[in-house]
Amino acid sequence: GAVVSQHPSRVICKSGTSVKIECRSLDFQATTMFWYRQFPKQSLMLMATSNEGSKATYEQGVEKDKFLINHASLTLSTLTVTSAHPEDSSFYICSARDLRKLFFGSGTQLSVL
Amino acid sequence: GNSVTQMEGPVTLSEEAFLTINCTYTATGYPSLFWYVQYPGEGLQLLLKATKADDKGSNKGFEATYRKETTSFHLEKGSVQVSDSAVYFCALSDQLYGGATNKLIFGTGTLLAVQP
Repeated sequence: GAVVSQHPSRVICKSGTSVKIECRSLDFQATTMFWYRQFPKQSLMLMATSNEGSKATYEQGVEKDKFLINHASLTLSTLTVTSAHPEDSSFYICSARDLRKLFFGSGTQLSVL
Repeated sequence: GNSVTQMEGPVTLSEEAFLTINCTYTATGYPSLFWYVQYPGEGLQLLLKATKADDKGSNKGFEATYRKETTSFHLEKGSVQVSDSAVYFCALSDQLYGGATNKLIFGTGTLLAVQP
């Protein structure tokens, strides 16, 4: 079946640095990818929808200048958390749509010190 | 707005026990309902779904029935195995484009631990 690879699975960084998370569809082309975030004991929340070759669509309350999304090819979307702060520490997960189904990456646990 | 509420975990069961994970939702219109499972170190996978009231989704021995009158979609399995240990997410989608789901609204996830 279709596979979505997300990297890294875990990252620890210092406050003020930027972190890039990659999401790749391994055996299919994904014109649309989604980025979610989950804080402890809370729901997975959609952050943004990423469309290949165009600007991402952000959900209300998500800062587009802080969470930069690039979907430069049909198999790769990246999320960059710029100038990360401890409150950005969370679990980030991507998904990609292949025709009628959604496939998810395994997630990235970001810890900002 | 639309939302999903599912029971907090962890749920710890012995092998062959009966499993219920409760899920209720709030939505306008007629959403589709899903259960996703995340095994350790892997991405979320669709376990089962139901697209209209009274539909029953089933897969791998798991079942859930779309109950509009109680706005519920509880997950059940008659006899759990150690290999069922995972995090289970209930979700709804209020949009269905040509069969492809768009925006999903998730619950918090419930960790199931099955002991031998």
